[in-house]
Amino acid sequence: DAKTTQPPSMDCAEGRAANLPCNHSTISGNEYVYWYRQIHSQGPQYIIHGLKNNETNEMASLIITEDRKSSTLILPHATLRDTAVYYCIVRVSRGAQKLVFGQGTRLTINP
Amino acid sequence: DAGVIQSPRHEVTEMGQEVTLRCKPISGHNSLFWYRQTMMRGLELLIYFNNNVPIDDSGMPEDRFSAKMPNASFSTLKIQPSEPRDSAVYFCASSLAETENTEAFFGQGTRLTVV
Repeated sequence: DAKTTQPPSMDCAEGRAANLPCNHSTISGNEYVYWYRQIHSQGPQYIIHGLKNNETNEMASLIITEDRKSSTLILPHATLRDTAVYYCIVRVSRGAQKLVFGQGTRLTINP
Repeated sequence: DAGVIQSPRHEVTEMGQEVTLRCKPISGHNSLFWYRQTMMRGLELLIYFNNNVPIDDSGMPEDRFSAKMPNASFSTLKIQPSEPRDSAVYFCASSLAETENTEAFFGQGTRLTVV
């Protein structure tokens, strides 16, 4: 399984864009990049995923580099409710559905 | 749909007792996952089912842990006998595994304390 590397913690001011980086230099061609977040005491929540094109939904944008070795999750206008642990996950081989979580990035949004 | 439902939400038991955690996946989902979360080890995948069949149980820590999925709408995780180091939050998640890029939905978790 490809591994991911994320900074353990980040801070961001409320209302600003939060940019969370992730390195996945050993990603294979058919592996997707997934992002989940976990707000304190709750189960993880899906945010977004992508293969090689940039993706956007109502929660966030995902920018994947052309060589696919890294990606950035962007929360365009962070609010206090976005304070959470954010996990970048590379999905294992086709047909297997398991999600293996690393340590993630603890994002704190400051007022 | 009410989402993934786990019970109980909290469980306190004495060391040596049997503990059973329960999970009802989202209707129509055919993949189910059990995770354990602690401060020290983070979120660990214990076991994964597809169409009620265990696919990967390599994360199950010991023989004291067992999981079953008798039908598509119910799964249990059992610890017998329980030990204090089993104290953790246990999450169940489900997804529709028709393609590889489907999101998993998590329950609210069961906080287990073994004293």
